[in-house]
Amino acid sequence: KAGVTQTPRYLIKTRGQQVTLSCSPISGHRSVSWYQQTPGQGLQFLFEYFSETQRNKGNFPGRFSGRQFSNSRSEMNVSTLELGDSALYLCASSFGTPSYNEQFFGPGTRLTVL
Amino acid sequence: GDSVTQMEGPVTLSEEAFLTINCTYTATGYPSLFWYVQYPGEGLQLLLKATKADDKGSNKGFEATYRKETTSFHLEKGSVQVSDSAVYFCAPQQASGNTPLVFGKGTRLSVIA
Repeated sequence: KAGVTQTPRYLIKTRGQQVTLSCSPISGHRSVSWYQQTPGQGLQFLFEYFSETQRNKGNFPGRFSGRQFSNSRSEMNVSTLELGDSALYLCASSFGTPSYNEQFFGPGTRLTVL
Repeated sequence: GDSVTQMEGPVTLSEEAFLTINCTYTATGYPSLFWYVQYPGEGLQLLLKATKADDKGSNKGFEATYRKETTSFHLEKGSVQVSDSAVYFCAPQQASGNTPLVFGKGTRLSVIA
């Protein structure tokens, strides 16, 4: 079974631009969660989608948004990029709610904002 | 909300040394407890878990015991290998509702031959 895939793996943008990151969960998994990883803050939860509905959201500004499609693939979008948005963005999928089911992580997308 | 405190890294050990990475948490109720590992250039992988007090999770020679009285879930391994070099994350998760994982800041382990 293929693992969680994230595209692109690396991205360089400039301040003010917007970016869209993509995540394809493991086949059959309906929950997708997104995390931001930085050296200073560690891993922080962004949001979780289940069957195209956002079920949970972390403490991030409205510039960060996401969505999930009917095939469970998910995208996250960051608008008006800031230098502080430079991070590794990790996507994780699980069969059901992450509270009860193991999450499987993708390799991440490394976003650099110049 | 829930929170996690992990020992600061980096931790540098020689091969075959004993490893302990401390983790204490603050949470309401009785969360499940997880250790995740992140190898260089990869995403996180579940290493082990424990779902109730006094449970011991184990995998690949690593162990951690759910200590409700001390709200701790310390990770141990008797003899580390170079291949164990990675970043380790402790995470409690509430079993009720749809609350997300709360990760510790991570502890970087470097094992030298």
